[in-house]
Amino acid sequence: DIQMTQSPSSLSASVGDRVTITCRASQYIRNHLHWYQQKPGKAPKLLIHAATGLESGVPSRFSGSGFGTDFTLTISSLQPEDSAAYYCQVSYSDFITFGQGTRLEIK
Amino acid sequence: QVQLVESGGGVVQPGRSLRLSCVASGFTFSNFPMHWVRQAPGKGLEWLTIISYDGTNINYADSVKGRFTISRDNSKNTLYLQMNNLRAEDTAVYYCASNCGGDCYSSGYNWIDPWGQGTLVTVSS
Repeated sequence: DIQMTQSPSSLSASVGDRVTITCRASQYIRNHLHWYQQKPGKAPKLLIHAATGLESGVPSRFSGSGFGTDFTLTISSLQPEDSAAYYCQVSYSDFITFGQGTRLEIK
Repeated sequence: QVQLVESGGGVVQPGRSLRLSCVASGFTFSNFPMHWVRQAPGKGLEWLTIISYDGTNINYADSVKGRFTISRDNSKNTLYLQMNNLRAEDTAVYYCASNCGGDCYSSGYNWIDPWGQGTLVTVSS
């Protein structure tokens, strides 16, 4: 099975900060990595598909990068409404799993 | 608009069974693979299972293989999750969600969108 290591597990940042969340796969997964945002009491929302594809309606301050084993979700200028949990998800060779999640708090 | 509405959750005793349903609307249900994903209280997301658009291909997470069964009725735009021999650790919000379609599925990308609002299953004596 593919192991996904997401970090950090939590972070606190200020409005306007640049924030980076990473996911590392235990083996090559090409660009089969997606990012989700989940606010308390709500269903997850797809932000980024296939490592770099920004979903329609998602603010352009969100971006994804990476290929192979190392991937990054970046928020270029943190906004108050970005307070949420963020998850990566891999789907490769019939294997699907989520990262452990990152809880992002606004200072 | 696209909508997924889960039902069937509730409180159930350990060892008993429960069947969840998810009714889809606003899109051509029969064209899309579907997932079940759960989230235990205060925990992260756990992917459970995926079924192809026609029900012929199914995969499960090891944690539920042999106990849970996914199925679909495309004539009713409905997805199901049959859960048997439930355990306390199965307590969670259960989400149904649509897979990306077409080339996305055939090429194995399988991103998940949209999601239902979830239904809570509590396994307790």
